[in-house]
Amino acid sequence: TQLLEQSPQFLSIQEGENLTVYCNSSSVFSSLQWYRQEPGEGPVLLVTVVTGGEVKKLKRLTFQFGDARKDSSLHITAAQPGDTGLYLCASDNDYKLSFGAGTTVTVRA
Amino acid sequence: KAGVTQTPRYLIKTRGQQVTLSCSPISGHRSVSWYQQTPGQGLQFLFEYFSETQRNKGNFPGRFSGRQFSNSRSEMNVSTLELGDSALYLCASRTSGGLYTDTQYFGPGTRLTVL
Repeated sequence: TQLLEQSPQFLSIQEGENLTVYCNSSSVFSSLQWYRQEPGEGPVLLVTVVTGGEVKKLKRLTFQFGDARKDSSLHITAAQPGDTGLYLCASDNDYKLSFGAGTTVTVRA
Repeated sequence: KAGVTQTPRYLIKTRGQQVTLSCSPISGHRSVSWYQQTPGQGLQFLFEYFSETQRNKGNFPGRFSGRQFSNSRSEMNVSTLELGDSALYLCASRTSGGLYTDTQYFGPGTRLTVL
């Protein structure tokens, strides 16, 4: 089972500020997924990154995959209260997802 | 298309009892996975089924079991409940699994409380 380390564990910021969440592993990811989970709901897939050095954008969210495919980051520009949630990274191997511990993001209005 | 549905949404049991949770996948999805989410351990994989066969199993005691029916619906059972089994149990479905392009869709979960 691949171990994923996420940091920070908690983030509380003011509306309009930027934030970055990190996901690291000691072994190479075949692919890396980012999810967001809101209270009372299951995780929802935001993006899948596959190629080392890849950058994907989803509106104000930017996802980067490290060149060595051992790390990834999620950057949110001008955060809004609607971005509040638990952000999870996950690797998909052997028909299962292995998740990081998650980063709880709170955006204050 | 209807999403993944899980029943019941909330459940309260006492130690020693058993519980059965149900999951209906998205129509056409044949792979169903179960996960346990707790504040201390995060999201952990329980097992995955495809066409009624278990393809992978997580590191949980034998008290946790599951099955999948021919219509792809799945159930998981926990026997002899312990306080530590209190968690959100999430079901997820996808077309067939095995490829990173095959998106996994999660249900809203069943919140189990063991007293």
